[in-house]
Amino acid sequence: EAGVTQSPRYAVLQEGQAVSFWCDPISGHDTLYWYQQPRDQGPQLLVYFRDEAVIDNSQLPSDRFSAVRPKGTNSTLKIQSAKQGDTATYLCASRDRDTQYFGPGTRLLVL
Amino acid sequence: AQSVTQPDARVTVSEGASLQLRCKYSYFGTPYLFWYVQYPRQGLQLLLKYYPGDPVVQGVNGFEAEFSKSNSSFHLRKASVHWSDWAVYFCAVSVNNNAGAKLTFGGGTRLTVRP
Repeated sequence: EAGVTQSPRYAVLQEGQAVSFWCDPISGHDTLYWYQQPRDQGPQLLVYFRDEAVIDNSQLPSDRFSAVRPKGTNSTLKIQSAKQGDTATYLCASRDRDTQYFGPGTRLLVL
Repeated sequence: AQSVTQPDARVTVSEGASLQLRCKYSYFGTPYLFWYVQYPRQGLQLLLKYYPGDPVVQGVNGFEAEFSKSNSSFHLRKASVHWSDWAVYFCAVSVNNNAGAKLTFGGGTRLTVRP
């Protein structure tokens, strides 16, 4: 069974540029999560979906970050006008019952 | 609000030695607790999980953890460390009485294994 896949694996951009991250969860998992993991810190939840509905986006910086999951399968996380403080690894996870399964992440560097 | 503290940011042990990684949680409800491991350039992988019941839980690769309500702790242990255990370990608590639905992670402990 394929795991959670993410692309791209790496991204480097200048402040003010936009970037999108893509996640393909494990087939059949209805719940999908996006986390931000700054260097040498634990993952911090940004947003999560059940099917196509947003369940919790309270930690998503809404002025520059957006996330969608239009058909309840794949998901896209977008950062408009990136800042240096957005430098981190962005992890996607999907859930089966009580366990979250993580993708390898996208490492973002904002110069 | 719930929180998880991993007091030791870095731990170094010799291969073959025993290991304990500490985790303290703060949560007023029934905690569901998890340990994940992150190898370089990879996502997090589940080592073990605790549900209310037996306080000692067994995980993969010889890891186990013990839950203590009185100490608000969920420490991870291994009897004999292997070089392949070199990784970052995260403790997490699940809230809202829905196991695994929403995780709060600690800051992680980076384990180095000396030959």
